[in-house]
Amino acid sequence: KAGVTQTPRYLIKTRGQQVTLSCSPISGHRSVSWYQQTPGQGLQFLFEYFSETQRNKGNFPGRFSGRQFSNSRSEMNVSTLELGDSALYLCASSSNSGTRVNTEAFFGQGTRLTVV
Amino acid sequence: SQELEQSPQSLIVQEGKNLTINCTSSKTLYGLYWYKQKYGEGLIFLMMLQKGGEEKSHEKITAKLDEKKQQSSLHITASQPSHAGIYLCGATPPGSNYQLIWGAGTKLIIKP
Repeated sequence: KAGVTQTPRYLIKTRGQQVTLSCSPISGHRSVSWYQQTPGQGLQFLFEYFSETQRNKGNFPGRFSGRQFSNSRSEMNVSTLELGDSALYLCASSSNSGTRVNTEAFFGQGTRLTVV
Repeated sequence: SQELEQSPQSLIVQEGKNLTINCTSSKTLYGLYWYKQKYGEGLIFLMMLQKGGEEKSHEKITAKLDEKKQQSSLHITASQPSHAGIYLCGATPPGSNYQLIWGAGTKLIIKP
């Protein structure tokens, strides 16, 4: 079974630009979560999608958005990039469909975004 | 809000020695996850604990969740260079579904 695939692996953008990151979950997984990891704040939850519906959203500004397609692939978008958005963005998929995260989440390798 | 505190922040251990990493929660844990991360890469699932007193082992790594479900420990026996990395504990916060909150991580270095 192929793992979680995130593209691109590395990205350099300029302040004010927007960026779209992609995540292909493990086949059969319908839950996709996104996390931001920075040295200062650690791992922080962005949002989670299940069957094209956003079920939960973390404490991030509206510049951060996402969506999920019918094939469970997900994208996240960051508009009007700021220097502080530089981070490793991780996507995770799981087979969880219940009210709690009760199965392991499988992570992709991440997209390293650098904003200059 | 629930917070996870990991200790120590970093650890340098001689190859072959045992070590323990702790994860303490400010509230009851309803699901505790241990992951390992190589620098700048994705997280690799190690173990999930849900019941008070639960203990799981995989190869040389053992994880335990205390009876009160507020503290977990990860123990590595006879450490090897392949154990080096960042260990992260994650948990599902009560009242907030479909997400994990995380500890700050423990950086483990193995000295040959």
